[in-house]
Amino acid sequence: EPEVTQTPSHQVTQMGQEVILRCVPISNHLYFYWYRQILGQKVEFLVSFYNNEISEKSEIFDDQFSVERPDGSNFTLKIRSTKLEDSAMYFCASSEPHSYEQYFGPGTRLTVT
Amino acid sequence: RKEVEQDPGPFNVPEGATVAFNCTYSNSASQSFFWYRQDCRKEPKLLMSVYSSGNEDGRFTAQLNRASQYISLLIRDSKLSDSATYLCVVNIKGRDDKIIFGKGTRLHILP
Repeated sequence: EPEVTQTPSHQVTQMGQEVILRCVPISNHLYFYWYRQILGQKVEFLVSFYNNEISEKSEIFDDQFSVERPDGSNFTLKIRSTKLEDSAMYFCASSEPHSYEQYFGPGTRLTVT
Repeated sequence: RKEVEQDPGPFNVPEGATVAFNCTYSNSASQSFFWYRQDCRKEPKLLMSVYSSGNEDGRFTAQLNRASQYISLLIRDSKLSDSATYLCVVNIKGRDDKIIFGKGTRLHILP
């Protein structure tokens, strides 16, 4: 069964450093998403991406964040200058055209020290 | 009123019992509704979409009540493996589309 994959599974970085989180969505999906979940809290929408551009973003997704689809398979989330409060689990998800049923990757745990 | 609200639980239910939980939403522009389950420190997994006519998948039944703005999930003949957190997800279509997750309801199935 096709699945969304994410790398790395755990990333530790120092405050102020840039990080790039990587995702490979399911191959025939056209909608891509990033979410974060701070430990013990709810899943929060960050951004959705379709047709090589951002379609929606939340208030959390400020200028420190960017997304890119650098090739036909990868979908990345970059955090330019990490803060302590960016420590969270980051989930990538994808969905088929015209469907809101999203399939999530296993997540990247980001720890900012 | 919160956009998506769920009873956090935990619901402690003996194996084999039936359990139901609700999720209320505040925005009448909400158009699509889903139940996901999330195991501890894992990703959310789609359980089922919720249609206006209601839908059933094995032991799981989901219903939507637009007039009262809530969705429900019923689990029959509960199994130990049903222990998880159940997340309600609402897609709101409007000037700005939004995807809102509830905080989840924790379910513990007791042997």
